[in-house]
Amino acid sequence: EVHLVESGGGLVQPGGSLRLSCAASGFTFSNFWMTWVRQAPGTGLEWVANINQVGSEKYYVDSVKGRFTISRDNAENSLYLQMNSLRAEDTAVYYCAKNGGGYDSWGQGTLVTVSS
Amino acid sequence: EIVLTQSPGTLSLSPGERATLSCWASQSVSSSNLAWYQQKPGQAPRLLIYATSSRATGIPERFSGSGSGTDFILTISRLEPEDFAVYYCQQYGSSPRTFGQGTKVEIK
Repeated sequence: EVHLVESGGGLVQPGGSLRLSCAASGFTFSNFWMTWVRQAPGTGLEWVANINQVGSEKYYVDSVKGRFTISRDNAENSLYLQMNSLRAEDTAVYYCAKNGGGYDSWGQGTLVTVSS
Repeated sequence: EIVLTQSPGTLSLSPGERATLSCWASQSVSSSNLAWYQQKPGQAPRLLIYATSSRATGIPERFSGSGSGTDFILTISRLEPEDFAVYYCQQYGSSPRTFGQGTKVEIK
């Protein structure tokens, strides 16, 4: 059974940094693209970034380019999202998702709150 | 960027009724790259349909998808109590990937 478990969320001041992690199990992690999706309180889903199997291709939504970095460690079956220069509008639940014809598995999400 | 617009914003129906949800794209989307998700309060989204019309693992037959080009539809043939939720379409063929704003299916 596929399991994705996010961690690393919390309260951070504007301009601060956080690193989110997603621990994967139950599938061959190195065979799949992976994605981060976020959801601000009371709103819809927003795609944030994705990464290919070996980490050589990375794509970002415009609003996080230059501030967020997606990465992965296939030896550790882990996905990461380094978030710098955080803004109030980055406040959201962040989900990691496995790509397999749509996003066929999701974690439970981790809440990031950017506030002073 | 491909913008996805879902209609209606809210659908008020009774259990047993048929639900038809629409998703319009600002540019043509390959049928291979259109998905639908269901989300209930406090839960992560769940994949229902991928490649426009393929049901994900474990998804009941009452859920079906259709469409092509810029017009896509999710149909729930007979609503069960557990189907009242928010539904999102998504294209995953071009970057940035994008979601529709969602359709809430509520109990009438």
